[in-house]
Amino acid sequence: NAGVTQTPKFQVLKTGQSMTLQCAQDMNHNSMYWYRQDPGMGLRLIYYSASEGTTDKGEVPNGYNVSRLNKREFSLRLESAAPSQTSVYFCASSVRDSVYEQYFGPGTRLTVT
Amino acid sequence: GIQVEQSPPDLILQEGANSTLRCNFSDSVNNLQWFHQNPWGQLINLFYIPSGTKQNGRLSATTVATERYSLLYISSSQTTDSGVYFCAVLREETSGSRLTFGEGTQLTVNP
Repeated sequence: NAGVTQTPKFQVLKTGQSMTLQCAQDMNHNSMYWYRQDPGMGLRLIYYSASEGTTDKGEVPNGYNVSRLNKREFSLRLESAAPSQTSVYFCASSVRDSVYEQYFGPGTRLTVT
Repeated sequence: GIQVEQSPPDLILQEGANSTLRCNFSDSVNNLQWFHQNPWGQLINLFYIPSGTKQNGRLSATTVATERYSLLYISSSQTTDSGVYFCAVLREETSGSRLTFGEGTQLTVNP
């Protein structure tokens, strides 16, 4: 049981480039989430998917898009990266909605120059 | 939205010491979790504790929902306990719900 996996672990982009962060879980969870963590701060929710086929904005959605590809996979896309998106990105999942315990992946460290 | 305050922001201990970390929140909650972020950045679930008391080895947590706070106790600290401890809470609302994180307590345990 790998839990929540994320790829890549590290990425460096130039301003204006695009990329997709991948997330997968093997716990048969219905809900999945994307967070960002800036230095010295807690995590902030970007987007979440309460169930397959649904996505909703979180606290900081601007500049991002998401796709819930199937029950296992939830991807985060940066269409035109900006230096303000330099951060560590975490994916998480839970059995059902946010009321249930969330389990986190190892994170992706993204630098935009 | 709901506010989460953690204290102290920084804590330095000698190995073997005990400590208490506090999390205050501004409204009633449906979910409260404690996490440990190790020096490599990995987030480790410690407790899912919207109310009551739980223990896991040297760690225990208590949430008093009616008074809107939670405490994390670390006994006989070890150097591997170093890292950042986050409290995160959720309040279900008609407009949606999200886990709101505090800013964390940076713990350093010296040998």
